[in-house]
Amino acid sequence: SQQGEEDPQALSIQEGENATMNCSYKTSINNLQWYRQNSGRGLVHLILIRSNEREKHSGRLRVTLDTSKKSSSLLITASRAADTASYFCATVILIQGAQKLVFGQGTRLTINP
Amino acid sequence: EADIYQTPRYLVIGTGKKITLECSQTMGHDKMYWYQQDPGMELHLIHYSYGVNSTEKGDLSSESTVSRIRTEHFPLTLESARPSHTSQYLCASSEQTGLPEAFFGQGTRLTVV
Repeated sequence: SQQGEEDPQALSIQEGENATMNCSYKTSINNLQWYRQNSGRGLVHLILIRSNEREKHSGRLRVTLDTSKKSSSLLITASRAADTASYFCATVILIQGAQKLVFGQGTRLTINP
Repeated sequence: EADIYQTPRYLVIGTGKKITLECSQTMGHDKMYWYQQDPGMELHLIHYSYGVNSTEKGDLSSESTVSRIRTEHFPLTLESARPSHTSQYLCASSEQTGLPEAFFGQGTRLTVV
C-alpha cells in the first residue's frame, strides 16, 4: 500500500466484545479518517481525527492518533452483528504537488451473534 | 445518505466493448475521485479531478479515461474492455476546502466476459 498498513487484515469476535483495528501510515498528515464499507457497497465516513488531537469519540467509536509512531487505532465498543463490515483508514497525502486521498488495506471485521 | 450516484450498479459486457461508468454528485464538490477495488482488497486511486477541466491519473495505472466537463459529472470510460478490467469501481467526491471527508457512491460492479 502506498500509504501504509492496517492490522489485523481480518478480525472475528463475539457480539458484545470490543473490536480494535490499527492503521499505520508513512507520511506526515493533517488528519486521518476512518471509513466503513459493507460488502459490495461504497464507503461511509465514520470519524476524522486531526493531527493535533490524540483521541476522539463518536458513539461507540473511539479513535486514537499517535503522530510520533505514525499510527492510529479504531475501537468499536460493545460490538453488534450490524458492525460486520470492512474498515479503512485514509489520509490526504501530497504527491508531486497534488493532494490525493489514499486508503489503507482495510480490516474485515466479523461480529458473530 | 450521500448525494452521489453511480450507474449502472452492475454491468456484464463482452470483451472489446466500449463502456462508460457514470458518476454524478449534487453537493457542488470540486474534488472527485475514481477508485478500483477488487473484492475484499484495498482501494486503488485511478483518476481524480479538482474541478471542471481538471483530471489527473492516480496511483494505479489504468487504461480508462475520465472527463470533467461539469462540476457534478465525472464519467469513466473504457474504450475496449478486457477481462482484466473486471472489478468494482467506486466514485467519490469531497470539498475543495474545508473538511476532507469523502462521500462515496454505491459503486459499479463490472464484469467483462
